[in-house]
Amino acid sequence: GAGVSQSPSNKVTEKGKDVELRCDPISGHTALYWYRQRLGQGLEFLIYFQGNSAPDKSGLPSDRFSAERTGESVSTLTIQRTQQEDSAVYLCASSYSGINNEQFFGPGTRLTVL
Amino acid sequence: EDQVTQSPEALRLQEGESSSLNCSYTVSGLRGLFWYRQDPGKGPEFLFTLYSAGEEKEKERLKATLTKKESFLHITAPKPEDSATYLCAVLSNAGGTSYGKLTFGQGTILTVHP
Repeated sequence: GAGVSQSPSNKVTEKGKDVELRCDPISGHTALYWYRQRLGQGLEFLIYFQGNSAPDKSGLPSDRFSAERTGESVSTLTIQRTQQEDSAVYLCASSYSGINNEQFFGPGTRLTVL
Repeated sequence: EDQVTQSPEALRLQEGESSSLNCSYTVSGLRGLFWYRQDPGKGPEFLFTLYSAGEEKEKERLKATLTKKESFLHITAPKPEDSATYLCAVLSNAGGTSYGKLTFGQGTILTVHP
């Protein structure tokens, strides 16, 4: 079956521009997560969705970051007024439920802010 | 705050030379410890979940074990295709949450030479 997909795979943007990153989770998975991975570093939690609601947004670095999920499926992570420190790989994961289930990751979107 | 420390940062092995990777953790009530494999340019690939001290799981040349303070990923007779970054992550009861926010270690970069 299809895994988690993300688009675009690569995004190069200029400082100050807005970007949207998309995640399509595995069908039937109610929980969805966004993580950020800076070069040579571990994964950093950003936000969690259970269904279409986001009980935990505590990992979002600033108010320039926002995310939404619709139809208990696709999620979009938006970064406004991008800065060079936003350059990283943004990973999306989904799991069957939000409790103890394994999280399955997409291939990530590599964002480069010039 | 949950903390995960992996060692060594990098490990070079000859093909067939068995070794172990370490994951030390400090959490408020462990609900699960996860091992992932990450190849360059790809998202993490799920390997194992361990839930309680004394538990062991195996997959091909990999065996994961868990104690109350750490987990080991044993690699027996590794092959070059085992070369990857191995990530450890914990799921805890921190903050009274009941969802699957993972806290990741920095990873161990494993290189197996033929």
